[in-house]
Amino acid sequence: AQSVTQLGSHVSVSEGALVLLRCNYSSSVPPYLFWYVQYPNQGLQLLLKYTSAATLVKGINGFEAEFKKSETSFHLTKPSAHMSDAAEYFCAARDTGRRALTFGSGTRLQVQP
Amino acid sequence: DTGVSQDPRHKITKRGQNVTFRCDPISEHNRLYWYRQTLGQGPEFLTYFQNEAQLEKSRLLSDRFSAERPKGSFSTLEIQRTEQGDSAMYLCASSPDGRREETQYFGPGTRLLVL
Repeated sequence: AQSVTQLGSHVSVSEGALVLLRCNYSSSVPPYLFWYVQYPNQGLQLLLKYTSAATLVKGINGFEAEFKKSETSFHLTKPSAHMSDAAEYFCAARDTGRRALTFGSGTRLQVQP
Repeated sequence: DTGVSQDPRHKITKRGQNVTFRCDPISEHNRLYWYRQTLGQGPEFLTYFQNEAQLEKSRLLSDRFSAERPKGSFSTLEIQRTEQGDSAMYLCASSPDGRREETQYFGPGTRLLVL
């Protein structure tokens, strides 16, 4: 069964610094991959998704992610953190032929002034 | 397009009581999903509907849980004889049909606290 691992349950960066949130999936066949953001007491909002069209995916709010098959990774980056980026970020995978998303346990991003 | 809506947003109940949650998907989305999210964890899949047909159920969905989507529009999730372990955020999502990589759009969730 698919599993998604997010290294680092908490990441703290300074405003203006690079953001790097890590995600690895377990399957040998690359799944569809997603990054969602969750603000307190809200649902999940899609940041970006990988659908095999391009390995570097650009999303909303300046975020991007790179799919690396050799590393089974889909890390999320943003060149310059903003205070409004403080939230919880979830990586998710969906195997082809299935409908359910498998989520990682999340990474809480803190942005220090 | 008003997004996925869920009602109620918060529910406090006593152990042993039954509760029912409602989800209204984005109009014309014929796929609907329920997930459960406990504190500090990512959402976990519970069940999935294609129109009114319930096509997949997780083993997390014990016999105390039942979900319906009678007319292929809104859905309800009922928990009977609630237990303290049922305390969680229940998330609903919907997606359109026809694309392999379709995005699931999530509602704001219903937070359940069982006392």
